[in-house]
Amino acid sequence: EVQLVESGGGLVQPGGSLRLSCAASGFTFSTYDMHWVRQATGKGLEWVSTIGTSGDTYYPGSVKGRFTISRENAKNSLYLHMNSLRAGDTAVYYCARVSYYDSSGYYYWYFDLWGRGTLVTVSS
Amino acid sequence: DIQMTQSPSSLSASVGDRVTITCRASQSISRYLNWYQQRPGKAPKLLIYAASSLQSGVPSRFSGSGSGTDFTLTISSLQPEDFATYYCQQSYSTPPWTFGPGTKVEIK
Repeated sequence: EVQLVESGGGLVQPGGSLRLSCAASGFTFSTYDMHWVRQATGKGLEWVSTIGTSGDTYYPGSVKGRFTISRENAKNSLYLHMNSLRAGDTAVYYCARVSYYDSSGYYYWYFDLWGRGTLVTVSS
Repeated sequence: DIQMTQSPSSLSASVGDRVTITCRASQSISRYLNWYQQRPGKAPKLLIYAASSLQSGVPSRFSGSGSGTDFTLTISSLQPEDFATYYCQQSYSTPPWTFGPGTKVEIK
């Protein structure tokens, strides 16, 4: 079955660290760019990080320097290392796969596979 | 960064109604626009990509249109399972990958 399964969430104190994992199955993980997206309770979706097939990484300003995305293709796994956590980082964290539609050389990218998410709570 | 807005932020509708949700980008994004559905407590699900292409397995009552800065998601006949929050997302200029704030479709 094609799926993504996140783990590693939990309660952490402000300033603490946590590592999230995302296990991929049913597809060739190494050939896809992967993302983390988060959602605070009752709020919208916020992109958190991207890792390309070549290991290139991208972050928004809100997490840059604190979060690190990585992947281990041999284990079909995606990770998110989170340091210096703040209350504002409290959210459900989803991993997501990116696919694309090729229309005459124009590539339309979209998130076509999502995990169920893992809850991270930052609180004292 | 490209900003995305949606309207309305919420709406109430009955089963069988035709529902239209609008998404606007802060600059032209051609047709680089995706739509997602999120049911309560569930992960987002891709409905439409490239503004109007229906994702495999998604019912044909869902359709998307638009280009440039203005886009719409239409549900031709609302079903009970369609009560959810809908998000648009631009993929024209990334990173960042930006989502709209969402439109919640509730039961009237």
